[in-house]
Amino acid sequence: GQQVMQIPQYQHVQEGEDFTTYCNSSTTLSNIQWYKQRPGGHPVFLIQLVKSGEVKKQKRLTFQFGEAKKNSSLHITATQTTDVGTYFCAGGKYNFNKFYFGSGTKLNVKP
Amino acid sequence: DADVTQTPRNRITKTGKRIMLECSQTKGHDRMYWYRQDPGLGLQLIYYSFDVKDINKGEISDGYSVSRQAQAKFSLSLESAIPNQTALYFCATSDPRNRELFFGEGSRLTVL
Repeated sequence: GQQVMQIPQYQHVQEGEDFTTYCNSSTTLSNIQWYKQRPGGHPVFLIQLVKSGEVKKQKRLTFQFGEAKKNSSLHITATQTTDVGTYFCAGGKYNFNKFYFGSGTKLNVKP
Repeated sequence: DADVTQTPRNRITKTGKRIMLECSQTKGHDRMYWYRQDPGLGLQLIYYSFDVKDINKGEISDGYSVSRQAQAKFSLSLESAIPNQTALYFCATSDPRNRELFFGEGSRLTVL
């Protein structure tokens, strides 16, 4: 079964609106990574979170790791058309040796 | 040039045929992975290898085998391809210090 659940599966927003995708695990994660895959492309690493309650920012993107290290979120403020793509979380288990990917959230931004 | 190179990029084959997907990397990483991507299912781990003598099964290894020929090369084989193995396959490497995954461009396989 899916080790890491990710919602929503799709999100359509108007340019300028905010966007959030969420990941949840039933068990504690050692760390979580986020990747972006542009249409027709391959996943590209965005960030890694390791500490309980950690928050990191990259320009308009804010990443959070839950206190219990079982959930995470990616929030994009004021989306742009360049944000289009599928965003994946990947939860690490077993001392970081294995990563379990969420099913991804496909973001479409209308200009 | 890409750091992680996959060949072929696209392949159409018939049920029962043997297929090999190859991956080579110039990043100098010991860790290499094969993932399968299906729409709505994200990326599922097929096999991974932490060095030349180390091979480990992932979540969905049935029907697949791998060979780690050298630090830089990791190939995935389908001994007898079946239609539900139609998917996009990604090879990846990682540096154990920061654990970031570096993906190849992908190999799209269609089994008729």
